[in-house]
Amino acid sequence: QLILTQSPSASASLGASVKLTCTLSSGHATYAIAWHQQQPEKGPRYLMKLNSDGTHNKGDGIPDRFSGSSSGAERYLTISSLQSEDEAAYYCQSWGTGTVVFGGGTNLTVL
Amino acid sequence: QVHLVESGGGVVQPGGSLRLSCAASGFTFSGFGMHWVRQAPGKGLEWVAFIRYDGTTEYYADSVKGRFTISRDSSKDTLYLQMNNLRPEDTAVYYCAKAYSSSPSPAGCDSWGQGTLVSVS
Repeated sequence: QLILTQSPSASASLGASVKLTCTLSSGHATYAIAWHQQQPEKGPRYLMKLNSDGTHNKGDGIPDRFSGSSSGAERYLTISSLQSEDEAAYYCQSWGTGTVVFGGGTNLTVL
Repeated sequence: QVHLVESGGGVVQPGGSLRLSCAASGFTFSGFGMHWVRQAPGKGLEWVAFIRYDGTTEYYADSVKGRFTISRDSSKDTLYLQMNNLRPEDTAVYYCAKAYSSSPSPAGCDSWGQGTLVSVS
């Protein structure tokens, strides 16, 4: 069964970097994922599609501060030079034959 | 630029029905699969349903299978979600989202609408 695991919360200081993790369940280490950002009281925003080899395709207008990488069953979202508007929930999403799943989301606090 | 606008949300009693619509523009609607995703108050995102680019195949989350029906009208560039036998646990903001490819199987979302609120009580 395809399951995505994310830490519920993370925090980092303004101007610093943070690396968020999304872990794919056993047997799904080759799956691609997508990262989405949801700022408070707003709808989700697509950030990027991230493949198992670490290659990624960012959405239109997504700053270079956002990048993705992969290692085994883990998919990462790194945000550098943190800004106040980066305070948001971050969700990973993956898909298989006939199904789509989201991780539980990570709430990022910018200190 | 992709633009998705949901409508049709509202308050409905348990056991009732509602039909959501999503008007699409800015891309070739008939060339991409489409999703419905929902978010209960204070909760995370939950995938609801996917329809293939040509409307020939649909997939549903177990929580809505047999009660919800996803459909599309490419002549109107519009996606629909017919929701029957609604339950209080279906209360959520419902988002339509565009799939990033024309794959016959579900693919990830790369554009989102602003959502429409459904309240079952």
